Amino acid sequence: AQSVAQPEDQVNVAEGNPLTVKCTYSVSGNPYLFWYVQYPNRGLQVLLKYITGDNLVKGSYGFEAEFNKSQTSFHLKKPSALVSDSALYFCAVRGISGSARQLTFGSGTQLTVLP
Amino acid sequence: DAGVIQSPRHEVTEMGQEVTLRCKPISGHNSLFWYRQTMMRGLELLIYFNNNVPIDDSGMPEDRFSAKMPNASFSTLKIQPSEPRDSAVYFCASNVAGSSYNEQFFGPGTRLTVL
Repeated sequence: AQSVAQPEDQVNVAEGNPLTVKCTYSVSGNPYLFWYVQYPNRGLQVLLKYITGDNLVKGSYGFEAEFNKSQTSFHLKKPSALVSDSALYFCAVRGISGSARQLTFGSGTQLTVLP
Repeated sequence: DAGVIQSPRHEVTEMGQEVTLRCKPISGHNSLFWYRQTMMRGLELLIYFNNNVPIDDSGMPEDRFSAKMPNASFSTLKIQPSEPRDSAVYFCASNVAGSSYNEQFFGPGTRLTVL
């Protein structure tokens, strides 16, 4: 069965500093990977996704993530954090066949950017 | 595009009452998902439909929960009778089954409080 681990429930970072939100995954075959963001009282929305190609994926609001196959990781990064980036972030993975084609979400990481 | 529409946005009810949550997926999407989000358990997939047919309901917590999709543009999640532990935010999501990206689009959620 596929799985996603987000080892940090909470990440705090000062505004202007770089941020990293960690994600590791387990799936059979090649993965499709996603980062979703959830702002307070809102639904989830896709921030970026890796399907194939370049291992460095650029997404919305200046975020990027690097797909590392050997470490089975897909960490979310941003060079300079903004207070408005404060939200709940979910990593998700799907496989390419059968039941693995449905998304499996991590437990979420609450990012707080301090002014 | 109006996105995924959910109603009501907030529901407060008393224990033992029937609760019905509604979802309208994005036009043209043929897969629909119901999720529940709580602080304790995070984001849980309850059930999903492909072409109006329930495919996997293994996440439905118990017989008090039922979901239907009578047509491609409407789904309901019903809880009868409701209990305080059902208090959560319930999300509906939709996508195009079989697409390479399988990206799910989420509604704004229904916040359910059972007193």
